[in-house]
Amino acid sequence: AQTVTQSQPEMSVQEAETVTLSCTYDTSESDYYLFWYKQPPSRQMILVIRQEAYKQQNATENRFSVNFQKAAKSFSLKISDSQLGDAAMYFCALGGGSEKLVFGKGMKLTVNP
Amino acid sequence: GAVVSQHPSWVICKSGTSVKIECRSLDFQATTMFWYRQFPKQSLMLMATSNEGSKATYEQGVEKDKFLINHASLTLSTLTVTSAHPEDSSFYICSASDRGKTDTQYFGPGTRLTVL
Repeated sequence: AQTVTQSQPEMSVQEAETVTLSCTYDTSESDYYLFWYKQPPSRQMILVIRQEAYKQQNATENRFSVNFQKAAKSFSLKISDSQLGDAAMYFCALGGGSEKLVFGKGMKLTVNP
Repeated sequence: GAVVSQHPSWVICKSGTSVKIECRSLDFQATTMFWYRQFPKQSLMLMATSNEGSKATYEQGVEKDKFLINHASLTLSTLTVTSAHPEDSSFYICSASDRGKTDTQYFGPGTRLTVL
């Protein structure tokens, strides 16, 4: 069975600073995808970043980047220059496409002005 | 691109009635659509997976006769909650995977269902 673990239920960061959200996973698949989704108070799930497991290069999307450690089954999200609009629930997910997603429990990020 | 809509965004109904929620992919064809349920302050729980033109695959513990799913076209899936009861009150979210880019799911804005 595939599992995703987000061990930190809540974190806070000062505006303009950097924060790292952790995620570990377990799968027996050799080819898979990893995602970070953001859910602000509106509850709309927004794709933040995706990583293909067969790619060694870490994905980057503007202020968001990941540290993908395949051997360790770790997939952390770094948010640089944090903004007030980054405040949300963040979900790490494994799978993708026509295959179902397995979500972590989520982590609430607070951004302090 | 990759926009998914849901309708209605919220609905209140009486116990015993049925409610239909629509999920549409607006600018892409969806090979597969997924239906989730989310309780307050919790993660998303997958209810079922639907592929266009075929029967939905339900997760263990989800009553297929209560939660009817129809995926009649590559841009539309519907979830009907039949004989709704207060315990069915929840936030329902759909997602769709782009037929041309099947590795990513795009989510609708969700539907808040309240059963009185």
